Amino acid sequence: DQQVKQNSPSLSVQEGRISILNCDYTNSMFDYFLWYKKYPAEGPTFLISISSIKDKNEDGRFTVFLNKSAKHLSLHIVPSQPGDSAVYFCAAEKGGGNKLTFGTGTQLKVEL
Amino acid sequence: KAGVTQTPRYLIKTRGQQVTLSCSPISGHRSVSWYQQTPGQGLQFLFEYFSETQRNKGNFPGRFSGRQFSNSRSEMNVSTLELGDSALYLCASSLGGTSGQETQYFGPGTRLLVL
Repeated sequence: DQQVKQNSPSLSVQEGRISILNCDYTNSMFDYFLWYKKYPAEGPTFLISISSIKDKNEDGRFTVFLNKSAKHLSLHIVPSQPGDSAVYFCAAEKGGGNKLTFGTGTQLKVEL
Repeated sequence: KAGVTQTPRYLIKTRGQQVTLSCSPISGHRSVSWYQQTPGQGLQFLFEYFSETQRNKGNFPGRFSGRQFSNSRSEMNVSTLELGDSALYLCASSLGGTSGQETQYFGPGTRLLVL
C-alpha cells in the first residue's frame, strides 16, 4: 500500500526554468511533509518541509505547496540549475512519530 | 557541527552471516532512525531509537534489530543474512521531541552486499 506517491519517475527541465515536482498521499493523518534530494549511493539531503497547518513554505529557490483537500504537495525550484539534477523524494510523517514514509522518487535532470 | 556519520561505508557478506552497522548522530540529537533503500522497495523505515529505547518500528522481520547507547550512538544488526538484504542502509537523526514535525538528517549510508 503506497501511501505516498510520486507518479513521475523522471522530469527534464532547461536551466533557468521552473521545475515542478509532484507528490500525492492517501493517509489523511500525515501532518508533516518534507522534500529530500538524493545522489546515488549517498544519504538524502533535506531541502524543505511544511506543516499541515500551512499551505506554502519558501526557502530561497525552493517553495513547497500543500493542498490538503487534494492530498497533494508540490516542490517548485526556480530557477533550476544543473546542480539540481538528482532524485527528489517527498516524505510524510504523522502524529509525532519520527517515522517517515517516502515516495518512490522523481529523477530531475536540468539541462543546459 | 558534524553531520551524521555511518560506518562502515561498504560491506560484503555471505548468506547466513550477520552484520552490525554503526551510526553516530548529530551532536545534541537524541533520536536515531534507520531506513533501508532497495531498487524494488524504495526507502523503507526500519526502526527509531530514543533514549536507548525503540520508539517506533517498521514492518521488517525480527532478523533486523537495533540498539542505542547512552551517548545516542546507535547500531543496527541483521542476522542470518539473505540475498534480499543487499541494500543501502541509512541512518537519520533528529532532536527527538515528542511533538513531531522534526527534520531528520541523514548520514551517507552503508552499502551492504550479500553474496
